[in-house]
Amino acid sequence: DGGITQSPKYLFRKEGQNVTLSCEQNLNHDAMYWYRQDPGQGLRLIYYSQIVNDFQKGDIAEGYSVSREKKESFPLTVTSAQKNPTAFYLCASSIGGTVGELFFGEGSRLTVL
Amino acid sequence: AQKVTQAQTEISVVEKEDVTLDCVYETRDTTYYLFWYKQPPSGELVFLIRRNSFDEQNEISGRYSWNFQKSTSSFNFTITASQVVDSAVYFCALTLNRDDKIIFGKGTRLHILP
Repeated sequence: DGGITQSPKYLFRKEGQNVTLSCEQNLNHDAMYWYRQDPGQGLRLIYYSQIVNDFQKGDIAEGYSVSREKKESFPLTVTSAQKNPTAFYLCASSIGGTVGELFFGEGSRLTVL
Repeated sequence: AQKVTQAQTEISVVEKEDVTLDCVYETRDTTYYLFWYKQPPSGELVFLIRRNSFDEQNEISGRYSWNFQKSTSSFNFTITASQVVDSAVYFCALTLNRDDKIIFGKGTRLHILP
């Protein structure tokens, strides 16, 4: 089935450790996005990529990094520089940029111990 | 700057009641797109509808209906004869064009009580 796969679903990290969240899509979409969701805060954009080998910072990029070496993959690294990384992370893709329907993965819940 | 306000943080209704989720947006642009997404307990957001600023026709899809009014900058979502499966967080969102960002509201958590 076509869709977006995020892994791991749950992740625990010690303070000071980097962690990478995986996002893979088989929808042949050009655009991919990473959002962070905190209780009562809605979705905030971390990074987005409109095309392979290119990506832009969103509203809360500090402490995060991404790569887009393949069309299907858009991994997010949460670095030790991120002050409050405990959150729910959602990856999405679209065929028509932001005016098109976004397809979301089931998310990754990161907890920093 | 663009903004989306969902003033209702949480709503609880008894099954079979109708419920309306409010969405108010702000933008100075004349061309924009509005969306509604549903986030069930499984976590992934599911697309419900997209409406562009030039189409003010109301939309009905089964038990779901949307009322878009540019005069009040609102794009409200009504569920008729609610069901327990409608329990979820619902997000309203706004974008200007294909290269811009999507601005999400903070969401409304809807509880349908059996």
